[in-house]
Amino acid sequence: GAVVSQHPSWVICKSGTSVKIECRSLDFQATTMFWYRQFPKQSLMLMATSNEGSKATYEQGVEKDKFLINHASLTLSTLTVTSAHPEDSSFYICSASEGTDGYTFGSGTRLTVV
Amino acid sequence: AQRVTQPEKLLSVFKGAPVELKCNYSYSGSPELFWYVQYSRQRLQLLLRHISRESIKGFTADLNKGETSFHLKKPFAQEEDSAMYYCALRGYSGNTPLVFGKGTRLSVIA
Repeated sequence: GAVVSQHPSWVICKSGTSVKIECRSLDFQATTMFWYRQFPKQSLMLMATSNEGSKATYEQGVEKDKFLINHASLTLSTLTVTSAHPEDSSFYICSASEGTDGYTFGSGTRLTVV
Repeated sequence: AQRVTQPEKLLSVFKGAPVELKCNYSYSGSPELFWYVQYSRQRLQLLLRHISRESIKGFTADLNKGETSFHLKKPFAQEEDSAMYYCALRGYSGNTPLVFGKGTRLSVIA
């Protein structure tokens, strides 16, 4: 089946630095990918929809200048957390749709900002 | 507005007992409903979707438009069913994102 690879699985960074998270569709092309954020014991909250070759669509309340999304190819979307702060610590998950079929999820990235 | 409600954070049942995980939704059109499962330290996996009407690992779910519900059921729980279960919906308007409920943790006791 379809596989989405997300890297890194976990990252610790210093406050004020930037962190890039990659999401790759391994055996299918994904014109659209989705980025979610999950706080402990809470549900997945959609952050943005990443569209290949165009600007991402951000959900209300998500700072586009802080969470930079780039979807330069049909198999890769990246999320960069800029000037990270401890409150950005969370679990970030990407997802891609295979078209009319269901969605495939990455394994997630646990970000800890110290 | 789109909304998915899973009223139970935690559900504990004994092995062999029936299981029902509740899910209610709010959507102005005709949504597509899904159940996803997340086993310990694993990624989210699709369990079933209402349009396929299939039974996966003994689980079934019927979309009740009148009650706007999509409850997940299994007649006899197994220990390996212990996991986090998320109900989700999307609209029938192309490549739209999933909206998730808060999830229910199922614990099957031996």
